[in-house]
Amino acid sequence: DAKTTQPPSMDCAEGRAANLPCNHSTISGNEYVYWYRQIHSQGPQYIIHGLKNNETNEMASLIITEDRKSSTLILPHATLRDTAVYYCIVSHLLNTGFQKLVFGTGTRLLVSP
Amino acid sequence: DSGVTQTPKHLITATGQRVTLRCSPRSGDLSVYWYQQSLDQGLQFLIQYYNGEERAKGNILERFSAQQFPDLHSELNLSSLELGDSALYFCASSGKGGGLAAYNEQFFGPGTRLTVL
Repeated sequence: DAKTTQPPSMDCAEGRAANLPCNHSTISGNEYVYWYRQIHSQGPQYIIHGLKNNETNEMASLIITEDRKSSTLILPHATLRDTAVYYCIVSHLLNTGFQKLVFGTGTRLLVSP
Repeated sequence: DSGVTQTPKHLITATGQRVTLRCSPRSGDLSVYWYQQSLDQGLQFLIQYYNGEERAKGNILERFSAQQFPDLHSELNLSSLELGDSALYFCASSGKGGGLAAYNEQFFGPGTRLTVL
């Protein structure tokens, strides 16, 4: 399974953009990059995913480098409610056609006033 | 609210006992996933079912088993419980089909907190 490397923690001021990096240098051609977050001990929440093109939705933007070895999750205007652990995951495609998500240790983002 | 429900919310039991955790997926979702989150191991994928059949297996112990019923709800059975089984157990659901739909995002329930004394 492709592994991901994330900084253990980051700080961000409220209202500013939060840029969370992720390294996934061993990613394969058919593996997607997913981002989830977990607030306190709640169930993880899906944020966004992509294969090779940049993606944007109402929550965030995902920038994937051309060689796909790294990506950045961007929260354009961080709020206090964005304080959470953010997981960057490379999906592992099984021969059944289904994917397996292997969560790492994530980045603990603290948004301060 | 993700639409995934899990019961019970909390469970306290003793070593050696057996418990059953229940999960109801979002309406229409055919895939159910189980995860275990403990303080020292992080979030670990246990097993996945799709429309009643096992599709993927992770780090699930032999003392643990799961199944998905015709109405698509799933149960995770944990037996011969040990202190180390104390954890948050999450269920997630996704997708309405296989193939490319397998890349659909997973929606997680609120979890069941299991404490083994």
